[in-house]
Amino acid sequence: GQSLEQPSEVTAVEGAIVQINCTYQTSGFYGLSWYQQHDGGAPTFLSYNALDGLEETGRFSSFLSRSDSYGYLLLQELQMKDSASYFCAVSHNNQAGTALIFGKGTTLSVSS
Amino acid sequence: NAGVTQTPKFQVLKTGQSMTLQCAQDMNHNSMYWYRQDPGMGLRLIYYSASEGTTDKGEVPNGYNVSRLNKREFSLRLESAAPSQTSVYFCASSRQGDTDTQYFGPGTRLTVL
Repeated sequence: GQSLEQPSEVTAVEGAIVQINCTYQTSGFYGLSWYQQHDGGAPTFLSYNALDGLEETGRFSSFLSRSDSYGYLLLQELQMKDSASYFCAVSHNNQAGTALIFGKGTTLSVSS
Repeated sequence: NAGVTQTPKFQVLKTGQSMTLQCAQDMNHNSMYWYRQDPGMGLRLIYYSASEGTTDKGEVPNGYNVSRLNKREFSLRLESAAPSQTSVYFCASSRQGDTDTQYFGPGTRLTVL
């Protein structure tokens, strides 16, 4: 089966840098995705890593190490609007196609 | 371009009642998904449809059925609602072969009394 582990909560102050870690166990790994969800809202796609290394998109970066079954989301220059839940997810492939399995999410609270 | 739409936004049912949650997307995506989200549990996949004409079970399919009506629409049916099905339900879609980039609807908040 598949399983993902990420911290349940992280707190930080405006302007700081925070790292949200994710470790996974899965058969047939394709890649690691990250989604953001504000309270009461829908999840939105942030990034995807299929290969080892760092992917940067503005203030957000995502890292993957396939050999360690580990990845992280790095958020820089934190802003109040970054307060949200962040989910890592892995692709799961079976005979009918491919779907995502999500971690339980990390709640990030940014204070001034 | 509305993206992914879901109806209704809110619903209250009594135990044993049935209902269908509707989902439609206008992005010409082949793949569609239904998730439920409960506090502290993240998003759990109920059913998905990799392409029109196919459906498959996810992590928590018991108590649900789905219909891929056409390429645009994917509905989720609760035949006999139970309090354990109180949750927020999200529909999502993606291009075929790009499962990792999913687009989510606004969700349906369902309470079963």
